Amino acid sequence: AIRMTQSPSSFSASTGDRVTITCRASQGISSYLAWYQQKPGKAPKLLIYAASTLQSGVPSRFSGSGSGTDFTLTISCLQSEDFATYYCQQYYSYPPLTFGGGTKVEIK
Amino acid sequence: EVQLVESGGGLVKPGGSLRLSCAASGFTFSSYSMNWVRQAPGKGLEWVSSISSSSSYIYYADSVKGRFTISRDNAKNSLYLQMNSLRAEDTAVYYCASGARVWAAEYNWFDPWGQGTLVTVSS
Repeated sequence: AIRMTQSPSSFSASTGDRVTITCRASQGISSYLAWYQQKPGKAPKLLIYAASTLQSGVPSRFSGSGSGTDFTLTISCLQSEDFATYYCQQYYSYPPLTFGGGTKVEIK
Repeated sequence: EVQLVESGGGLVKPGGSLRLSCAASGFTFSSYSMNWVRQAPGKGLEWVSSISSSSSYIYYADSVKGRFTISRDNAKNSLYLQMNSLRAEDTAVYYCASGARVWAAEYNWFDPWGQGTLVTVSS
C-alpha cells in the first residue's frame, strides 16, 4: 500500500498568512493526488485533484503543486473560513486508496 | 443540485450487522464509480470500499474484506454497504462519495460527499 505522510500535523497561523502543507507519498504517484478540506462535523470537500487542478468553485487562493512523491497545498492569503483540517489522498494505485493523516490549521 | 444522502447508521452490538444506503440525485449516477469512506471519532479518513459504475470492479480495504459488501442499484440511483460481523473498531461516521469521470475514464478522487451516517458498535 502507498503510504501518504502529511506535515505538519497541525500548526497555528493568522488571517492573511501564506501557508503551505506538505504531502509525501511512499512511492511515485505521478500527479494522482487530491486535496480535501474538512471542517468540524462536516463532510470533506474536494479542493484540488490531479495535484494542481482547482475544483470548480474553490477560491483561487488555494493552489497545489508537485508530482512523483512530493506535493504541496498552498493557501496564499489565509481567510477565517480556511481554518480546518486538510487531507491529501492518492488514487494512483489501489486498493487501497489512501489518505494522509491530516493537517489541522488553527487560529494563532 | 448534486446530492448524496446516507442512511442506515445506528447502534449495533459487536458481531451484529447493519446495511447502509446512499441515495444519489442531481447527476448521472450510473456513469460514476462510488465509494465508502469512514472516519472514526477524532481520527482521519479511511477508505473502505469502491465499486465501478457497472459494478464490474469492486475493491475493499483489508480491514473490512470478508465482512463488508458494497453494491449498487443504478436503476434506483442507490449505493449500499452491507456490514456484517461488526467490531468496535468499525465505529465511525461512514460517508458515501462519488468518484470522478474525465472523458471515458473513471478516477477515484471523491466529489461530492454525503453528510455521513454514524455507526456505533458497542455492547
